[in-house]
Amino acid sequence: KAGVTQTPRYLIKTRGQQVTLSCSPISGHRSVSWYQQTPGQGLQFLFEYFSETQRNKGNFPGRFSGRQFSNSRSEMNVSTLELGDSALYLCASRTGTPPSSYEQYFGPGTRLTVT
Amino acid sequence: AQKITQTQPGMFVQEKEAVTLDCTYDTSDQSYGLFWYKQPSSGEMIFLIYQGSYDEQNATEGRYSLNFQKARKSANLVISASQLGDSAMYFCAMREGENYGQNFVFGPGTRLSVLP
Repeated sequence: KAGVTQTPRYLIKTRGQQVTLSCSPISGHRSVSWYQQTPGQGLQFLFEYFSETQRNKGNFPGRFSGRQFSNSRSEMNVSTLELGDSALYLCASRTGTPPSSYEQYFGPGTRLTVT
Repeated sequence: AQKITQTQPGMFVQEKEAVTLDCTYDTSDQSYGLFWYKQPSSGEMIFLIYQGSYDEQNATEGRYSLNFQKARKSANLVISASQLGDSAMYFCAMREGENYGQNFVFGPGTRLSVLP
């Protein structure tokens, strides 16, 4: 079974631009979560989607948004990029259905650099 | 208050020795799950082990075991017979609520270096 895939793996953008990151979950997984990882703030939860609906949301500004498609693939969008948005963005999937829903599998991440 | 505390920013261990990575957590929920992840320099987070709050036995997965002390709110990871490939960042995480419906919260991590 293929793992979680994220595209692109690396991205360089300039301040003010917007960016879209993509995540394909493990086949059969309906829940996709997004995380931001920075040296200063560590791993922070952005949001979780389940069956095309946002189920949970972290404490991030509205510039960060996401969506999930009917095939469970998810995209994350950041508008009006700031230097502080430079980070590793990790996507994780799980079945979303108890009792096996606790196990969450991560993708390799997208490293975003904002200049 | 921090939900997950990992007090050891860095640890060294000799190859083939056992090592314990500390994790304490804070929750008022009765139902929660505790997780450990490994992050090598490549960046990918690798799931290692899980412990449910109602599990009476400590979880074990191969060389990994979780020393769960509920009253102390402690969930330490024990790695037996360390290998050079164990060198990585290790994160303790928690998910609260029924069916773990709440967000994952991660600790700051511990960088483990295995010495030959």
